[in-house]
Amino acid sequence: DIQMTQSPSSLSASVGDRVTITCRASQSISTYLNWYQQKPGKAPKLLIYAASSLQSGVPSRFSGSGSGTDFTLTISSLQPEDFATYYCQQSYNTLPYTFGQGTKLEIK
Amino acid sequence: QITLKESGPTLVKPTQTLTLTCTFSQFSLSTNGVVLAWIRQPPGKALEWLALIYWNDDKRYSPSLESRLTITRDAPKNQVVLTMTNMDPVDTATYYCAHTKAGRFFDYWGQGTLVTVSS
Repeated sequence: DIQMTQSPSSLSASVGDRVTITCRASQSISTYLNWYQQKPGKAPKLLIYAASSLQSGVPSRFSGSGSGTDFTLTISSLQPEDFATYYCQQSYNTLPYTFGQGTKLEIK
Repeated sequence: QITLKESGPTLVKPTQTLTLTCTFSQFSLSTNGVVLAWIRQPPGKALEWLALIYWNDDKRYSPSLESRLTITRDAPKNQVVLTMTNMDPVDTATYYCAHTKAGRFFDYWGQGTLVTVSS
């Protein structure tokens, strides 16, 4: 299985901050990397697919980059509604699809 | 707007079989390219992909759980069913069904259903 490792596991930031979350794959996955946001008690929400494509309806302050094994999710200016847990997920050609352990973004 | 909703028991006993149903709307599982997934999340833990079912009835399972999982569809009813045998307390989790884009990422999710395994 392809292991996905996110860093940091938790992060404190303030409204207006620029935040970057990293996801590393245990082998090259090209750009088969997706990002989700999950708020407590809610289902995950797709933010970014194929490493850098913004899902329809997602604010442009969210962006993704990377290829191969290293990927980043960037929030350019944190808004109050962005405090949540973020997960990466690889969808490379070999199953199983796997998720990172999550990054909890908290208010400083 | 695509919607999905999971239903099933909230409590099952160890060794029992879990049966969950995903009822969806605004798309057809008979349409070329449509794929549905089941994903679970133990309390306070990360997400785990379980199974996929394709428009052509092809099926894929997580290797670690394959012997216990069965995914089936009832296309006319717009439903997908997941069964998991020999339930254990470690299977306690919120179970989600999700629509996938090209079978690669999960763009619409159900609200999830919490299943507790306890005697």
